[in-house]
Amino acid sequence: QVQLQQSGPGLVKPSQTLSLTCAISGDSVSRNSAAWNWIRQSPSRGLEWLGRTYYRSKWYNDYAVSVKSRITINPDTSKNQFSLQLNSVTPEDTAVYYCARDILNGDTEWGQGTLVTVSS
Amino acid sequence: SALTQPASVSGSPGQSITISCTGTSSDVGGYNLVSWYQQHPGKAPKLMIYEGSKRPSGVSNRFSGSKSGNTASLTISGLQAEDEADYHCCSYAGSDTYVFGTGTKVTVL
Repeated sequence: QVQLQQSGPGLVKPSQTLSLTCAISGDSVSRNSAAWNWIRQSPSRGLEWLGRTYYRSKWYNDYAVSVKSRITINPDTSKNQFSLQLNSVTPEDTAVYYCARDILNGDTEWGQGTLVTVSS
Repeated sequence: SALTQPASVSGSPGQSITISCTGTSSDVGGYNLVSWYQQHPGKAPKLMIYEGSKRPSGVSNRFSGSKSGNTASLTISGLQAEDEADYHCCSYAGSDTYVFGTGTKVTVL
């Protein structure tokens, strides 16, 4: 049974960096056929795919154009987890953030969600 | 940009409803890679349909998916109270990116 457990602060100040971690149990971040995603949801923007990391003999990242200049998703094989960093946040980045495996095939799994508020 | 869904759809118990998800030839119309998610308040989305029309194990056969041109559709037949939730479509959008729909609130009257 795969589980994704999210952790990270729920409050971030404007202009600072939002950092979240998604710990994986029951699967491997390095599995050659999986992709590990970050998605966020806000009342104004709905669900928004942010990016993903995956391993296919080497590590790859793909990012949404809307956040490409500010986002980094990194795998951590020693802890079997992956992380999200979003720089220079504004109140517009306030949302529930989800990590998820493989969002377009039948093997998807999602984390529990983390509400992150950007406020001073 | 986000795929277009109706803001709300409603139906009576036992009826069938259909939710549309309209994109472009660069996303919905270009690939057979549309998923549908159900989301109850305060919960993470749950996969109901993937690759346009496939149901994951455990999902009721009252849920079905289809596509015509640039529009994907989710049909819920035999509507039940527990189907009241938000529904979101998601499509591959080329260049290794994905796009979600605007979301639809389903109300069971």
